[in-house]
Amino acid sequence: GAVVSQHPSRVICKSGTSVKIECRSLDFQATTMFWYRQFPKQSLMLMATSNEGSKATYEQGVEKDKFLINHASLTLSTLTVTSAHPEDSSFYICSATRGHLQETQYFGPGTRLLVL
Amino acid sequence: AQKVTQAQTEISVVEKEDVTLDCVYETRDTTYYLFWYKQPPSGELVFLIRRNSFDEQNEISGRYSWNFQKSTSSFNFTITASQVVDSAVYFCALSSNTGNQFYFGTGTSLTVIP
Repeated sequence: GAVVSQHPSRVICKSGTSVKIECRSLDFQATTMFWYRQFPKQSLMLMATSNEGSKATYEQGVEKDKFLINHASLTLSTLTVTSAHPEDSSFYICSATRGHLQETQYFGPGTRLLVL
Repeated sequence: AQKVTQAQTEISVVEKEDVTLDCVYETRDTTYYLFWYKQPPSGELVFLIRRNSFDEQNEISGRYSWNFQKSTSSFNFTITASQVVDSAVYFCALSSNTGNQFYFGTGTSLTVIP
């Protein structure tokens, strides 16, 4: 299989705090991980692509200082939403591939973030 | 430019009916991959199928079947004898030879009524 986990599954935080979301590939090494954001009843919006050991590549319009991504190992990537505000409330989903081009992306279960 | 179009926003069918979800894609690449994912209410995207551009054979997996036609740039998904558990949002996606980014369609929300 290709299992990807995310933690936490849901988080509620106060405005101004930072939230860290972990994404782990449980049974394979993920050279590349992706972070998406999904608003209700909308498609997935790619935020950034991260490769192990290098800086993430952010999509246009995504603030890299706001959404810090670290891909420290072949099985773990983290997304930190810094100084979260209510407009950051969303469903964040990570995915992972084994690294080759056009590889199937396997998705984590997502994290629902609510910023009060 | 890469683009995936899922024109059907919402579909409702009665249980046991067959339903086809449409997917039309655009790409200039000769090598590309097409995917279907299912997103149930829980939120997790479940991988259903991956098809490369050189393989136009239709595929059947249980009640699921896929019709890939390069001539019309379509990769349609049919569920036969639909069940309530099939209720979900289904996304079609394209991955091109120029990178490993996925281009997702806007999704089709399927509701199967018991």
